Parts: sequence; C-alpha cells; structure tokens
Amino acid sequence: ELKVEQNPLFLSMQEGKNYTIYCNYSTTSDRLYWYRQDPGKSLESLFVLLSNGAVKQEGRLMASLDTKARLSTLHITAAVHDLSATYFCAVDIYGGATNKLIFGTGTLLAVQP
Amino acid sequence: DAGVIQSPRHEVTEMGQEVTLRCKPISGHDYLFWYRQTMMRGLELLIYFNNNVPIDDSGMPEDRFSAKMPNASFSTLKIQPSEPRDSAVYFCASSFRAKNIQYFGAGTRLSVL
Repeated sequence: ELKVEQNPLFLSMQEGKNYTIYCNYSTTSDRLYWYRQDPGKSLESLFVLLSNGAVKQEGRLMASLDTKARLSTLHITAAVHDLSATYFCAVDIYGGATNKLIFGTGTLLAVQP
Repeated sequence: DAGVIQSPRHEVTEMGQEVTLRCKPISGHDYLFWYRQTMMRGLELLIYFNNNVPIDDSGMPEDRFSAKMPNASFSTLKIQPSEPRDSAVYFCASSFRAKNIQYFGAGTRLSVL
C-alpha cells in the first residue's frame, strides 16, 4: 500500500528559529508537490519538485527532493508568524502520467512570537 | 481567472437526504479531481476526470457516492442517501494536463446530522 508520511505532525516553534519538515513516501516517484493550507481555507501550491536533487526556494521556505531515499524536505528559515499553517506534501504516484496525487498526513506548524 | 469555483460553501442536511456538490474548474483545464478531507483520514482522492471522462473512481467510498462531469466546465458529486460519517470538507481541484499543479477550490463543508 502506498504511504506518504510526514513528520512531525505538529510543530510549535519560535519566531526566528529554523526547522525542517520531512516527507517520506513508499513508492518510486520523481514528482512531488508541497501545499499550504490555512485554517478553514483551501490548499495553495508552494513547490513542484520534478527530479532527483531538485531544490526550490521561496522566501523563508526551501524544498528539496531525494528520489533515491524517497524523501522530501521543507526547510523553514527564521520562521515568522505568517508561516503558521498546515503543510502537505503530495506524491504523483504515476510519475506525471495521470496527475494522481497521494497526500501526506500534513504538518501543522505554529510559529509563536 | 476566477479559479476553481465550488458551491455551496456550506451544506447542512439530515441523514438520508440527497446532497449535491458542484464544481466549476478553471477554464481550459482538462483534469478535474474530487477530494474529501477529514481529521481522521486526511485528504483523500475520491475520483478524477480527464476530458470529462472518469479515469479513476477507486477512492469513492461506496455506491452512495457518484460523480459526473457533463461538460468541461461543470462537475457534480452526489451523495444519496447521506450519512453522518459523510461529514467532511469536499474539495474540487483542476489542472491543465498531467504533470501540472492542481488548483483547489474553496471547498464545501458538509455536515450531515
């Protein structure tokens, strides 16, 4: 059974600190997405990682993909309160042939002032 | 573009009633996805369409659920009869071809009493 696991499930951190969210998946795939969801809102796309070694950065967030380890990371640098949200990774299980995504469990990030 | 439009935003109904959720994808997008989000099960793919044709409905929980896409600009997800365990947020998403970002609607929050 395909699994996409994130850890931690919940992360409370102080402003200005750095931390990393991990996304492990159990099938071969070279296409992975990161989404953000604010409470009671929809999902917003953050990054698309398309190959082994891919790295994308936007502001204080940086995502990377290691397809051999079946691992993606979302690194947060100098967190600010506005980053508080739930972050999901999603794996394209057919490598882009159909765009069928399996979502991870989500990581609820709370940045404290 | 107005994005993916879902209606209604909130639906409260009684057990046994029929519920119809509606979705208008982004113009020009050829993939449409229906997801369900709950605390217990996270974000699950129910069914997706390509060029109005259902491709994979393996996520549809049971026969009480059905989805249609009569044309490129409209899809429905119907639950008949509804049960309390169907209470969830239902999201519609669309994308242009495979290998591309899925854009999510605002969701429909369904409560079955």
